[in-house]
Amino acid sequence: QKEVEQDPGPLSVPEGAIVSLNCTYSNSAFQYFMWYRQYSRKGPELLMYTYSSGNKEDGRFTAQVDKSSKYISLFIRDSQPSDSATYLCASPNYGGSQGNLIFGKGTKLSVKP
Amino acid sequence: DTGVSQNPRHKITKRGQNVTFRCDPISEHNRLYWYRQTLGQGPEFLTYFQNEAQLEKSRLLSDRFSAERPKGSFSTLEIQRTEQGDSAMYLCASSFLGGDGNTEAFFGQGTRLTVV
Repeated sequence: QKEVEQDPGPLSVPEGAIVSLNCTYSNSAFQYFMWYRQYSRKGPELLMYTYSSGNKEDGRFTAQVDKSSKYISLFIRDSQPSDSATYLCASPNYGGSQGNLIFGKGTKLSVKP
Repeated sequence: DTGVSQNPRHKITKRGQNVTFRCDPISEHNRLYWYRQTLGQGPEFLTYFQNEAQLEKSRLLSDRFSAERPKGSFSTLEIQRTEQGDSAMYLCASSFLGGDGNTEAFFGQGTRLTVV
């Protein structure tokens, strides 16, 4: 079992829909969680990071962590075609540097106009 | 400074040849990481530097791979005797570790390697 699991999709939604992207993790020592967005043939860019449980909101994006169930989510409101990309969840590897990230496989999202 | 820069963007090489990639991090960043990403997978950690010291290496980094950061600025990743399984996107990221802790890691655009 990988330490960070993510459904690769693809996920296709109409413009304006609310998108829910999810990951599970197995290592209870994980404390920080990141969501990266990666456009085709580009490097990942950090969207949001959270520490501990609860919600964090940034514009149309909300990141949610439930440590009791080891479940992390990213919600996108009023989705736009420009949101079409692969979304990667990640957490720093326990015992490694904060930059040593364990990534999920990524979920490919397509927002149709 | 516009971000992490990687060169070349694309590299096609014949099996058995050596290749070298370069990464120029964001100028004030003291940490530099290398990751590898294959199709349909998330990035996988290879190694990282703090300044010029290589502090951590993944088991994915075989003896054919070597990374350097000689002056604590740019870094190179060399793959010797390339194999078809080395075909992947090689990503570099940098961050700053200071008194307040670690900042987020910024990724470059990657170098896409194809071994034929």
